[in-house]
Amino acid sequence: DSGVTQTPKHLITATGQRVTLRCSPRSGDLSVYWYQQSLDQGLQFLIHYYNGEERAKGNILERFSAQQFPDLHSELNLSSLELGDSALYFCASSDHLGGTYNSPLHFGNGTRLTVT
Amino acid sequence: DAKTTQPPSMDCAEGRAANLPCNHSTISGNEYVYWYRQIHSQGPQYIIHGLKNNETNEMASLIITEDRKSSTLILPHATLRDTAVYYCIVRVGLTGGGNKLTFGTGTQLKVEL
Repeated sequence: DSGVTQTPKHLITATGQRVTLRCSPRSGDLSVYWYQQSLDQGLQFLIHYYNGEERAKGNILERFSAQQFPDLHSELNLSSLELGDSALYFCASSDHLGGTYNSPLHFGNGTRLTVT
Repeated sequence: DAKTTQPPSMDCAEGRAANLPCNHSTISGNEYVYWYRQIHSQGPQYIIHGLKNNETNEMASLIITEDRKSSTLILPHATLRDTAVYYCIVRVGLTGGGNKLTFGTGTQLKVEL
């Protein structure tokens, strides 16, 4: 158990809808990362938050947004969903901003999103 | 980004050591080598990381060559539960202090009886 909690585990929704994925980092971790894993794309970095502030963006679509709250949990909002958004969405946390590159990321077990 | 090259697949007999190679010839001096594994759609699991010296923990050993251009992850006594995709990653720093792990395609390790 990594200590990172993601809810829900599974989500099925229709095209055009909006969903919110939730992540609770390990106790004491200030950094939260979001990744997307689809069958044909592998693990893709989406976005990184540190102590409530956005610190880095990856291949995140404009229809997607995220935030990190004062209690350090994070939410990933996906809107105007398309069939191609079906994927596993992982959250990871670490205890540092990561500037020294010496702080492992610990991943949750993901949310499986199916868009029909 | 420092890129990594791994064989797409490897087989290993249960109880034997599994040695997974990784090439990272463009690695910079302050970049760490990380290893993760992913067991069938579960979240990636951190295994080990290192900078220059060899490292060992309860899961595995990491051997980094002196020129740091390649490394080997060693699972000393592989079991069926070690069947997974293994990712070798060079940690990249981004402007502003944020950094990420960039996952490649990894090595599918199959441990067999």
